[in-house]
Amino acid sequence: GAGVSQSPRYKVAKRGQDVALRCDPISGHVSLFWYQQALGQGPEFLTYFQNEAQLDKSGLPSDRFFAERPEGSVSTLKIQRTQQEDSAVYLCASSLAGLAGQETQYFGPGTRLLVL
Amino acid sequence: RKEVEQDPGPFNVPEGATVAFNCTYSNSASQSFFWYRQDCRKEPKLLMSVYSSGNEDGRFTAQLNRASQYISLLIRDSKLSDSATYLCVVDNQAGTALIFGKGTTLSVSS
Repeated sequence: GAGVSQSPRYKVAKRGQDVALRCDPISGHVSLFWYQQALGQGPEFLTYFQNEAQLDKSGLPSDRFFAERPEGSVSTLKIQRTQQEDSAVYLCASSLAGLAGQETQYFGPGTRLLVL
Repeated sequence: RKEVEQDPGPFNVPEGATVAFNCTYSNSASQSFFWYRQDCRKEPKLLMSVYSSGNEDGRFTAQLNRASQYISLLIRDSKLSDSATYLCVVDNQAGTALIFGKGTTLSVSS
């Protein structure tokens, strides 16, 4: 079956530009997570949705970052006024139900963002 | 102090070698523990969950010591295809996120 998909796979943005990153989770998966992975680092948590409810956004680095999942399926991560330090791979993961450790999280291929 | 710390690596080993990775975590409230594998420029994939009783999956053995807040992964009879970055992962106190270590890179050569 289809896994988690993300688009675009690559994005080059000029500093100050707004970007929107899309995540299509596995059909029927209740939980959706966003992570940011900088070069040479492990993924770092950004935010967590259970259906359409954003239950944890403690990892969002600034108010320039905003995520939504209005219908409980597709999610969008928006970054406003991008800065060079935003350059990273943005990973989306989904799981069937429950909390982060209860079910296997399946990761998408990521969106590689480069801010010039 | 980072929440999850791993051996810095890289580990360069010949085929057939046994290699061990170590990891410590800081949050005693963590309930779930994992090893993920990440190939170069790919997404992380679950390798195995880790339980206090220890668990084995073929050539891979994982151990958890809750008292010491220590997790290990042992790979026996290394294969070329084991070359990857291995990420030690725990859940956060609220259970809403996975916390990843920086990863340890393994390179297996013939």
